[in-house]
Amino acid sequence: TQLLEQSPQFLSIQEGENLTVYCNSSSVFSSLQWYRQEPGEGPVLLVTVVTGGEVKKLKRLTFQFGDARKDSSLHITAAQPGDTGLYLCAAYTGGFKTIFGAGTRLFVKA
Amino acid sequence: DTEVTQTPKHLVMGMTNKKSLKCEQHMGHRAMYWYKQKAKKPPELMFVYSYEKLSINESVPSRFSPECPNSSLLNLHLHALQPEDSALYLCASSQELDEQYFGPGTRLTVT
Repeated sequence: TQLLEQSPQFLSIQEGENLTVYCNSSSVFSSLQWYRQEPGEGPVLLVTVVTGGEVKKLKRLTFQFGDARKDSSLHITAAQPGDTGLYLCAAYTGGFKTIFGAGTRLFVKA
Repeated sequence: DTEVTQTPKHLVMGMTNKKSLKCEQHMGHRAMYWYKQKAKKPPELMFVYSYEKLSINESVPSRFSPECPNSSLLNLHLHALQPEDSALYLCASSQELDEQYFGPGTRLTVT
């Protein structure tokens, strides 16, 4: 069974702090996605990483795909209250199915 | 336009009611999905349509009945639901099967 394990499960930080969220698996994936979901809303696709070792930046968010394509990280610099939400990593496993990590719930205090 | 729309935003229904959830996308995506999401959990796949044909039914109880009238629309018909079916129901679409675009969801409460 393919699983994505995210850590930490919950993170509460002050505005301006940096943080890193991890997504790990024992399986190799052709790509991995990160989504952010705000309460009562649907997940919003942030990025797809495809190549082992790839680094992508989206403003203050930096995404990295592990060299072996089994893990990924999301680093947020100078977090803001608007970054509050549930961060989900996901991977397509074939046959129209995507697996999701359990999510990291981030709360940024002003 | 990367928008997926869902109606209604909120729905309260009794266990004997029949209701429908609607989803629409105009991105020309070939696949459309229904997910169920309980509080503090990731989305859980229910159904997948590919080119308007049902490709996946994740052993969902028959009180949930999906329908794909055309390539832009996806419905979920609800009948005789149970209180434990209360959840956020998400629709998504994709062209590249690893990238899904989600709608805002329908918050369903079964009383």
